[in-house]
Amino acid sequence: GESVGLHLPTLSVQEGDNSIINCAYSNSASDYFIWYKQESGKGPQFIIDIRSNMDKRQGQRVTVLLNKTVKHLSLQIAATQPGDSAVYFCDSFRGTPLVFGKGTRLSVIA
Amino acid sequence: NAGVTQTPKFQVLKTGQSMTLQCAQDMNHEYMSWYRQDPGMGLRLIHYSVGAGITDQGEVPNGYNVSRSTTEDFPLRLLSAAPSQTSVYFCASSYSPGQATDTQYFGPGTRLTVL
Repeated sequence: GESVGLHLPTLSVQEGDNSIINCAYSNSASDYFIWYKQESGKGPQFIIDIRSNMDKRQGQRVTVLLNKTVKHLSLQIAATQPGDSAVYFCDSFRGTPLVFGKGTRLSVIA
Repeated sequence: NAGVTQTPKFQVLKTGQSMTLQCAQDMNHEYMSWYRQDPGMGLRLIHYSVGAGITDQGEVPNGYNVSRSTTEDFPLRLLSAAPSQTSVYFCASSYSPGQATDTQYFGPGTRLTVL
């Protein structure tokens, strides 16, 4: 079955630095990936998505990179701010309900 | 436009009690789903629905029932609550699964404790 996991459960970053959150997947048939952000006490919130025919997609201060060769994707956050502190989930869609990874907790140090 | 709403926000049950977690969305989304999130864990899919009258099991369906009589509502029923069902429950909706630009919108969650 599908496995969407994260390399690191926690990440601490200095305010103003760039953050990189990594994710691995096992199902090469996955054609669509999403990153969600979940702040404490709240539900997940969509950040950015990418289709498998793309290598890179940019949003506001965020970039997602997809490496299909090694089945790896990453979320890069530029100039990390205290408001970026949250748990970040990578998620893949494979034609059935979304399967979530465990999540990485990002802590921003002021 | 309220998005996805869930009630109650908090609930404490005794083992063996039953209850219904309510979920409603006003975005005319076809796809709705229920997840549970345990401490330090990711989201696990309980049940989902691709439209009114259609429901299916997710990853962890045991102990839960759902129905989808309208597009707007997707209640989750706990038949006989057990301490293992202590968790935070999230409801989500989207236009339809599988579209590249289709994202799920999540409710604020219901924190359930079973004693």
